[in-house]
Amino acid sequence: AQSVSQHNHHVILSEAASLELGCNYSYGGTVNLFWYVQYPGQHLQLLLKYFSGDPLVKGIKGFEAEFIKSKFSFNLRKPSVQWSDTAEYFCAVNAGAGTALIFGKGTTLSVSS
Amino acid sequence: AAGVIQSPRHLIKEKRETATLKCYPIPRHDTVYWYQQGPGQDPQFLISFYEKMQSDKGSIPDRFSAQQFSDYHSELNMSSLELGDSALYFCASSLVGGGDYEQYFGPGTRLTVT
Repeated sequence: AQSVSQHNHHVILSEAASLELGCNYSYGGTVNLFWYVQYPGQHLQLLLKYFSGDPLVKGIKGFEAEFIKSKFSFNLRKPSVQWSDTAEYFCAVNAGAGTALIFGKGTTLSVSS
Repeated sequence: AAGVIQSPRHLIKEKRETATLKCYPIPRHDTVYWYQQGPGQDPQFLISFYEKMQSDKGSIPDRFSAQQFSDYHSELNMSSLELGDSALYFCASSLVGGGDYEQYFGPGTRLTVT
């Protein structure tokens, strides 16, 4: 069965600090990888996705992620965080179009100004 | 651009009552997914429909049922509600027939069971 592990439960940063959130997945076949953000009281918004091709993907709001197949990882990065990045971040995988998303437990990011 | 619509946005029910949540996918999307997110939890997949047929089933209680109608909207019916059913229920849609791997999420319905 697929599973997703996010290493950091709660990350606290100051504005302008760099961010890296870890995500590892467990699955034997081809996977699609996603990072979603959920601002307080709001719905899930897609930050970025990886299906194939260049393992370094760029998303919205200056976020990027790198797929390392040998490590089963898909870590999220941002060089300089802003106060407005305070939110819950979820890593997710699925096995193909039409299949269920499996989410990690999420990482709460708190950015102080 | 049109997004996924869910109604109602908030719902308060008492234990043992019944609730119906509705989801209207993005036009021309052929697949609908339902997820449940408990307080402080990650979203958990409940069930999905492709072209009005159930395509996958996750951790959906037997008290819950769902269907997708001819106009592609979907309804999640929840009976004999329990306190533990209090959660945010998300619907998502995608165009599987177009090879789209991405799921587009609606704003969610917050269900509170008292």
